[in-house]
Amino acid sequence: EADIYQTPRYLVIGTGKKITLECSQTMGHDKMYWYQQDPGMELHLIHYSYGVNSTEKGDLSSESTVSRIRTEHFPLTLESARPSHTSQYLCASSRHHRTSGALNEQFFGPGTRLTVL
Amino acid sequence: GNSVTQMEGPVTLSEEAFLTINCTYTATGYPSLFWYVQYPGEGLQLLLKATKADDKGSNKGFEATYRKETTSFHLEKGSVQVSDSAVYFCALQGGSEKLVFGKGMKLTVNP
Repeated sequence: EADIYQTPRYLVIGTGKKITLECSQTMGHDKMYWYQQDPGMELHLIHYSYGVNSTEKGDLSSESTVSRIRTEHFPLTLESARPSHTSQYLCASSRHHRTSGALNEQFFGPGTRLTVL
Repeated sequence: GNSVTQMEGPVTLSEEAFLTINCTYTATGYPSLFWYVQYPGEGLQLLLKATKADDKGSNKGFEATYRKETTSFHLEKGSVQVSDSAVYFCALQGGSEKLVFGKGMKLTVNP
């Protein structure tokens, strides 16, 4: 069973506020990911990390930033939230090494639904 | 680049109906293929997977076969239940190990 946690589950804030979405996993996975899911359900990779002190931009440009100071923790920060940031944010993790016959399955957290007024 | 095209919904079925969700892909090399499911208010869960041509993934009565000749990975279930109501995503994983998702299909099953 996946052990990946996201907090808060729901967040409603005003424009201009700084927010941090938390993501933690207890599986010792090196790789972690942030996806943005729009109301039409489509998923977009916005950030990923292959390990401590490694962060990369994903396929969809995002004004958010991430950090990876500890293996288990991959927080996402918005310095100044805007209504256009309203979305569901999903965090995921997977193992680093691809072994023969095994898949680096991504395990997903429950998501944070962010609403910016 | 890699891409996934899946049948878009929403789709509404009656309980015990047969389900097929089409998924085709474009990729270089030999990607791994996945179906993920998202139940209301939750994150994604891996439903089934296949790593090479002709592999069949199966779980909870769902099946999908990796068809390299047609570049497809269609999801099927012989008799759906109300509890199968969810959003279904087809995905592939290539050499970069990043997942590429289809747009998702919302399924509603009525009693």
